[in-house]
Amino acid sequence: GEDVEQSLFLSVREGDSSVINCTYTDSSSTYLYWYKQEPGAGLQLLTYIFSNMDMKQDQRLTVLLNKKDKHLSLRIADTQTGDSAIYFCAPAFIAPGAGSYQLTFGKGTKLSVIP
Amino acid sequence: KAGVTQTPRYLIKTRGQQVTLSCSPISGHRSVSWYQQTPGQGLQFLFEYFSETQRNKGNFPGRFSGRQFSNSRSEMNVSTLELGDSALYLCASSLALENYGYTFGSGTRLTVV
Repeated sequence: GEDVEQSLFLSVREGDSSVINCTYTDSSSTYLYWYKQEPGAGLQLLTYIFSNMDMKQDQRLTVLLNKKDKHLSLRIADTQTGDSAIYFCAPAFIAPGAGSYQLTFGKGTKLSVIP
Repeated sequence: KAGVTQTPRYLIKTRGQQVTLSCSPISGHRSVSWYQQTPGQGLQFLFEYFSETQRNKGNFPGRFSGRQFSNSRSEMNVSTLELGDSALYLCASSLALENYGYTFGSGTRLTVV
């Protein structure tokens, strides 16, 4: 099955850029998602990228995909205290014999923003 | 537009009991998935339903089951609860995963004592 690795913690100063990295193992992953989870809440879809793209920008968010190295990153520009949360990388793939896509999540990166 | 609604938000059960969790997807969404989130294992896929059919199942014992109704609402059931079943259970619905991803509910926090 798919394995997804993320560093567990990241601390940045308010106003700086944050870069959260993710590596995955299944090269057949077609859609790759980033989710945000705040304490006591469910997961919020932030952005996604298709495997035929190298980069996607969405306001303060930039996603970079290196398909050869199976490496995905999320850059948050001008990080704010409200960005403090856990960020999950989640490639979607079709498991053998399965009839649909499923997401495999990394353990999540806890982003702490220092005022 | 209402989001994904999960009930109840919190639940405390005793070992050996069974529990049913409910999920109402966003109107028009026919795909519903369930995930278990624990501090040790993270987020793990349980199963996915589309038009009342289970299309995909994760690596969980048979004590975990689910179903989907004709209005796309879904329930999951856990029988013979164990302490290790304590977790946040998240439901997600999708119109088309490829273009929209999954929208998650706030989850049901299950505690088994």
